Amino acid sequence: ETGVTQSPTHLIKTRGQQVTLRCSSQSGHNTVSWYQQALGQGPQFIFQYYREEENGRGNFPPRFSGLQFPNYSSELNVNALELDDSALYLCASRPGQTGELFFGEGSRLTVL
Amino acid sequence: AQKVTQAQTEISVVEKEDVTLDCVYETRDTTYYLFWYKQPPSGELVFLIRRNSFDEQNEISGRYSWNFQKSTSSFNFTITASQVVDSAVYFCALSDYNTDKLIFGTGTRLQVFP
Repeated sequence: ETGVTQSPTHLIKTRGQQVTLRCSSQSGHNTVSWYQQALGQGPQFIFQYYREEENGRGNFPPRFSGLQFPNYSSELNVNALELDDSALYLCASRPGQTGELFFGEGSRLTVL
Repeated sequence: AQKVTQAQTEISVVEKEDVTLDCVYETRDTTYYLFWYKQPPSGELVFLIRRNSFDEQNEISGRYSWNFQKSTSSFNFTITASQVVDSAVYFCALSDYNTDKLIFGTGTRLQVFP
């Protein structure tokens, strides 16, 4: 039990649509990161937020965006969905800027 | 560029066998962290270990042990007397000292049969 909760667990969208994935972290976890894990691959870093500001981004286009809220929740938004966006999206959080990352169970997105 | 290679895509063993999962990494940084995570079918990544680049001592935690060799850029993971509950995908990962960005390998699927 990591204390990181993600919703929804599964969802299906069609190409061109927009999606919002949500993450709820433990109280005091003011760093949150999002990862994309395609089937059979390792997770890939999308971006990180610290105290509600983005402070690191991986090689993902601007249609991937995020928000972090003062109540330790966060969102990942993806616009103009493409078939290749089908993946497991993992949220991870931790207190402060260093230390162990706690991962949620992920949201599995299927784009048809 | 940073890279993590896990050459073994899948390993099958019978319970009580020892098994070693290989991890080779590339980085130009002199300071960095190495990690191992376990991913059961539920999907969440379970943290197993973090090792910083200055500490080359091997580590043992119960049935788990890790062998870090900077000279060969390897960070291998051994499970002694494997159990069915060890069945999962295991990921090795690398990060630099200053960011949260983890670079993961492609994972090794371990199946332990009774």
